[in-house]
Amino acid sequence: AQSVTQLDSQVPVFEEAPVELRCNYSSSVSVYLFWYVQYPNQGLQLLLKYLSGSTLVKGINGFEAEFNKSQTSFHLRKPSVHISDTAEYFCALGTSGTYKYIFGTGTRLKVLA
Amino acid sequence: NAGVMQNPRHLVRRRGQEARLRCSPMKGHSHVYWYRQLPEEGLKFMVYLQKENIIDESGMPKERFSAEFPKEGPSILRIQQVVRGDSAAYFCASSATGGDQPQHFGDGTRLSIL
Repeated sequence: AQSVTQLDSQVPVFEEAPVELRCNYSSSVSVYLFWYVQYPNQGLQLLLKYLSGSTLVKGINGFEAEFNKSQTSFHLRKPSVHISDTAEYFCALGTSGTYKYIFGTGTRLKVLA
Repeated sequence: NAGVMQNPRHLVRRRGQEARLRCSPMKGHSHVYWYRQLPEEGLKFMVYLQKENIIDESGMPKERFSAEFPKEGPSILRIQQVVRGDSAAYFCASSATGGDQPQHFGDGTRLSIL
């Protein structure tokens, strides 16, 4: 069975500081990994995805993530956050031959002025 | 807007009533997924449909919940005889194919049960 763990439920950070949101996964088969962002009362917007190939993935809004197979991690990073990045961030996992995503419980990023 | 469209955005029902949630996938997408998000939790898969077919409903409660995706029209998630525990945000996603194609999500329907 697959699982996704987001270790931090909330992450406060000051504006223009760097941030890392952690995601670890468990799977016995090859995975696809995604980060989604959810603004209040809205749906999920795809930030970036890892399907195969380069382990460093760049997404929208200046975010990037690195797939680390040995550590089974897919941490999300941004070198300098803005107030507008305040939102909830979800890590999700998919596997070849399946279609249902397994989501982590989310990390609430709060950017402070 | 060519994105996934869900309606209504907010739905209030009394216990025992029926709730019908609608989802129109992105243009060109024939795969539809429904997820439920309980407060302070991540999204949980409910059901996967293609046109006129339910492919996987392993995440759906066995009673009171049903889903369809007819040849014409939107996908419908139907909850009969709602209870307080059905209060949640219900999200629909669609993709062009299954597998590694990213799922694109709608803005969700927030269901409140009085």
